[in-house]
Amino acid sequence: QVQLVQSGAEVKKPGASVKVSCTASGYNFTAFALHWVRQAPGQRLEWVGWINTGNGNTKFPQSFQGRVTITRDTSARTSYMELSSLRSEDTAIYYCARGTSGYDYWGQGTLLTVSS
Amino acid sequence: DIVMTQSPDSLAVSLGERATLNCKSSQSVFFTSNNKNSLAWYQQKPGQPPKLLIYWASTRESGVPDRFSGSGSGTDFTLTISSLQAEDVAVYYCHQYYSSPLTFGQGTKVEIK
Repeated sequence: QVQLVQSGAEVKKPGASVKVSCTASGYNFTAFALHWVRQAPGQRLEWVGWINTGNGNTKFPQSFQGRVTITRDTSARTSYMELSSLRSEDTAIYYCARGTSGYDYWGQGTLLTVSS
Repeated sequence: DIVMTQSPDSLAVSLGERATLNCKSSQSVFFTSNNKNSLAWYQQKPGQPPKLLIYWASTRESGVPDRFSGSGSGTDFTLTISSLQAEDVAVYYCHQYYSSPLTFGQGTKVEIK
């Protein structure tokens, strides 16, 4: 069955960087895009960016340009989302999700806490 | 950016009754190349990731009960739960994947009256 399994919770200080992984199983990894979405406490879902797992092309919203990097390792069937220059407002659950016309499978989420 | 606005923010419905959730986009999300609206609906329960219910505005995801239906076109969309069940208590989000940045509504919380 299709599964997306994310790395564990992280606690970081302001200004630091974090790298979250998302390992896929149960389907052809390079056949589906992977998106990253975050959810801050009490806030709506926010799109962080996506990667074409076939060719590695990425796209991000302007609000994250320069701070987020999304990569993939096809041999490991894993995508990575790295966020730098962390601030308290980045405290959120980060999800990876598969799909293009809606996200049909989601990772379990990774809680990132940014605190001094 | 396309702003997604849901209404109401919360909704209390009796068991077995109909629940109607609305979503309005600030621009049309109609994709002319396939004549479909790039709009999805998700259900999220506490402590869980969102679950896809509807995509292309009206296509039910496999395994989703047929009491859930989506409708609408252009900028105005509706998710209908025809007969509310206890397990439907959740927050529901609409999501446009028509253009970058992809955006979500603020959510509608559905409770039992």
